[in-house]
Amino acid sequence: GNSVTQMEGPVTLSEEAFLTINCTYTATGYPSLFWYVQYPGEGLQLLLKATKADDKGSNKGFEATYRKETTSFHLEKGSVQVSDSAVYFCALSEAGGTSYGKLTFGQGTILTVHP
Amino acid sequence: GAGVSQSPSNKVTEKGKDVELRCDPISGHTALYWYRQSLGQGLEFLIYFQGNSAPDKSGLPSDRFSAERTGGSVSTLTIQRTQQEDSAVYLCASSRGQSSEKLFFGSGTQLSVL
Repeated sequence: GNSVTQMEGPVTLSEEAFLTINCTYTATGYPSLFWYVQYPGEGLQLLLKATKADDKGSNKGFEATYRKETTSFHLEKGSVQVSDSAVYFCALSEAGGTSYGKLTFGQGTILTVHP
Repeated sequence: GAGVSQSPSNKVTEKGKDVELRCDPISGHTALYWYRQSLGQGLEFLIYFQGNSAPDKSGLPSDRFSAERTGGSVSTLTIQRTQQEDSAVYLCASSRGQSSEKLFFGSGTQLSVL
């Protein structure tokens, strides 16, 4: 079956530091890949996505590149802010599935950014 | 409404009781999903609706769990004879359709089974 593995947290950084959260996946075919974010007290929201190999998703200064050869989709940001403190989830949608919304999620990584 | 609404936000129940969790999706969204978020298992898919039909119920953990959707809108997730291992946050999400990759999540219902 499909699976997603994220680097274990929590991750604690100072403001303006560089962020990387690793994500690797196991799936058949060519899944779509996503990063979702859950800010304190809010629901999960889509941060970025990529639907095919070598695609780069980007949003709010975050980037992730779909690497088929390494089955990875690492999240990066060059300079984090306190407001980026949240839980980040990597997820995939199986290729050829009946619904793109049926997602397999990683365990989540808690990010805390200090001033 | 402006977003996906779930009620109640918190539910405490005794083992063996039945509970109903409600989800109001974004108006016009035809696809609706239930997920469960627990400490041990992370975020797990439960069931998916397209309109009032449920083409995929593969994530429902046991026959104590059921869900329905009426009028292509509101959905109810029912857990019968609750067990302590059912304690989790139950999340609902909706999207424009089954081919849409962008899900909009509600804030969830925190279920605690004592």
